[in-house]
Amino acid sequence: ETGVTQTPRHLVMGMTNKKSLKCEQHLGHNAMYWYKQSAKKPLELMFVYNFKEQTENNSVPSRFSPECPNSSHLFLHLHTLQPEDSALYLCASSHLRQGTYEQYFGPGTRLTVT
Amino acid sequence: LAKTTQPISMDSYEGQEVNITCSHNNIATNDYITWYQQFPSQGPRFIIQGYKTKVTNEVASLFIPADRKSSTLSLPRVSLSDTAVYYCLVGDDNTGNQFYFGTGTSLTVIP
Repeated sequence: ETGVTQTPRHLVMGMTNKKSLKCEQHLGHNAMYWYKQSAKKPLELMFVYNFKEQTENNSVPSRFSPECPNSSHLFLHLHTLQPEDSALYLCASSHLRQGTYEQYFGPGTRLTVT
Repeated sequence: LAKTTQPISMDSYEGQEVNITCSHNNIATNDYITWYQQFPSQGPRFIIQGYKTKVTNEVASLFIPADRKSSTLSLPRVSLSDTAVYYCLVGDDNTGNQFYFGTGTSLTVIP
């Protein structure tokens, strides 16, 4: 399988549930990202991992917990979410080197919090 | 943060050339300019990237004037399938600005 994959594609969860989103990249990239896109809003950068180290946390609430066990996998652990957290969650990867800033995005997970 | 400004929306007829201009007055010396396309409920897709002058690929052209304070994405002979949101980003590995998407330009192609 090529590119960036995300599972599940759709997720419905209650506010007391715990779930995880998974992202996998097959491109040999060294950086991975989580973005959130709410309806009719721009993409919001949530987390950046560079060589498995978190280099950016864009003031994201602690109910979102990222994990990057290796440069190919990225998780977003969710717990006690709020209805306003319903959104499209996008994972991306890139190869951080001078002159190339192209990010490859996965298809996203459509999350609904009830 | 290198802020970018784009028109909120544009309409075009099929077969026409579409030019979307992005302003980035405080672009830094090392910043590159990158454009993405996004269809509803999908992740953005890289279109083109440049530093200065003109860049062309099979999808689009990117025109960057000498002062680099703006850039223009040119889509030749658009079709209905080009209806999407187009984002302009500026940044590099050091600033990290290349991760920040603005509101983009919503292009609607009319038959």
